[in-house]
Amino acid sequence: ETGVTQTPRHLVMGMTNKKSLKCEQHLGHNAMYWYKQSAKKPLELMFVYNFKEQTENNSVPSRFSPECPNSSHLFLHLHTLQPEDSALYLCASSQESGDPYNEQFFGPGTRLTVL
Amino acid sequence: AQTVTQSQPEMSVQEAETVTLSCTYDTSESNYYLFWYKQPPSRQMILVIRQEAYKQQNATENRFSVNFQKAAKSFSLKISDSQLGDTAMYFCAFMNNNAGNMLTFGGGTRLMVKP
Repeated sequence: ETGVTQTPRHLVMGMTNKKSLKCEQHLGHNAMYWYKQSAKKPLELMFVYNFKEQTENNSVPSRFSPECPNSSHLFLHLHTLQPEDSALYLCASSQESGDPYNEQFFGPGTRLTVL
Repeated sequence: AQTVTQSQPEMSVQEAETVTLSCTYDTSESNYYLFWYKQPPSRQMILVIRQEAYKQQNATENRFSVNFQKAAKSFSLKISDSQLGDTAMYFCAFMNNNAGNMLTFGGGTRLMVKP
């Protein structure tokens, strides 16, 4: 595997379900990001982790719970979601956060549908 | 807060011709970075080109170049000799120098290159 991978690629869940999205980067980076890409809104940054520490939470509802056990893995735990949470969830990584010259590399995304 | 606006939801261009995608932004910051990202259909988002606000010279990457007008807060992308593989969503993005690598994206422009 190379670059940034995300699993699953597609997920359908009910509003009462609990599920998790997984992201893994094989680039030796230290910063990881979650973005939400909705059909009707611009790409939105959700969370930033730098060296496993959360450095940004962009006012994300608590039904989204991130976890970064190490610099290579990032999870997004989902529970009691709403239909409006249906979107493409993108993971990205960069060498470190805080430096605009550190390019962010994106994964293919998980297409989430909440019924 | 910064905002990024892409006023062209969709555009099309004939293969081998030139197309320009528009982007405007609003910020009170003086030191920032601007980016164009490309998201091909069902493929990962990749960085196309980056511009530092303190540089007057417009960035160029092969067939891709920008027209950066700082006073007008405009950052357009020109694609020369368009190729079928340029078909994608294109996102303009802004990063404040002090924002910890946080990107603010525009709504995107869907570009179709026609044979």
